[in-house]
Amino acid sequence: SQQGEEDPQALSIQEGENATMNCSYKTSINNLQWYRQNSGRGLVHLILIRSNEREKHSGRLRVTLDTSKKSSSLLITASRAADTASYFCATDAGGNNRLAFGKGNQVVVIP
Amino acid sequence: DTAVSQTPKYLVTQMGNDKSIKCEQNLGHDTMYWYKQDSKKFLKIMFSYNNKELIINETVPNRFSPKSPDKAHLNLHINSLELGDSAVYFCASSRGGGISEAFFGQGTRLTVV
Repeated sequence: SQQGEEDPQALSIQEGENATMNCSYKTSINNLQWYRQNSGRGLVHLILIRSNEREKHSGRLRVTLDTSKKSSSLLITASRAADTASYFCATDAGGNNRLAFGKGNQVVVIP
Repeated sequence: DTAVSQTPKYLVTQMGNDKSIKCEQNLGHDTMYWYKQDSKKFLKIMFSYNNKELIINETVPNRFSPKSPDKAHLNLHINSLELGDSAVYFCASSRGGGISEAFFGQGTRLTVV
């Protein structure tokens, strides 16, 4: 099955700084999604970007998608302590009702 | 109202036992999933159901059997539990499979001792 694969990073930043994480995938997709998981909780959908879109914004989030490089990035601007979480990208590659997740990036925002 | 609820939240059991995890969604979604999250937080899809029909059955031991009595419920039964089954299991639902956002339950932390 295909799945997004984030760069294996753990980010530790100061409150107010920006956080950027990347995701790569292997085959064609219809869309790519980003999710957040707070410690001990389920995943929460953040944003969905379709394959024909290059950039999308939602509040302090900015997602880019480069289908030629099969990669996406998630930027969180002006980070807050509450942004401390793991962030996952997910793709529908492989079809058949499949939503495949990558390994996730741990982000720690220091107050 | 909780959109996707699964019970129990914690489950500690001995090897060899049989246990079930229940999941219900009140979103009217057609698709439901079970995911397993290991200690490294990697999320692996186990099963996907669409309108009570099994769509995806990944390489999961036969000891795992999903059951969908109706569109709003997808339960997971595990026979003969093994130490390696210890993980967090997430139920999720979505409107249209991988093409739309998924809503997740809070997870069931299963510990096999």
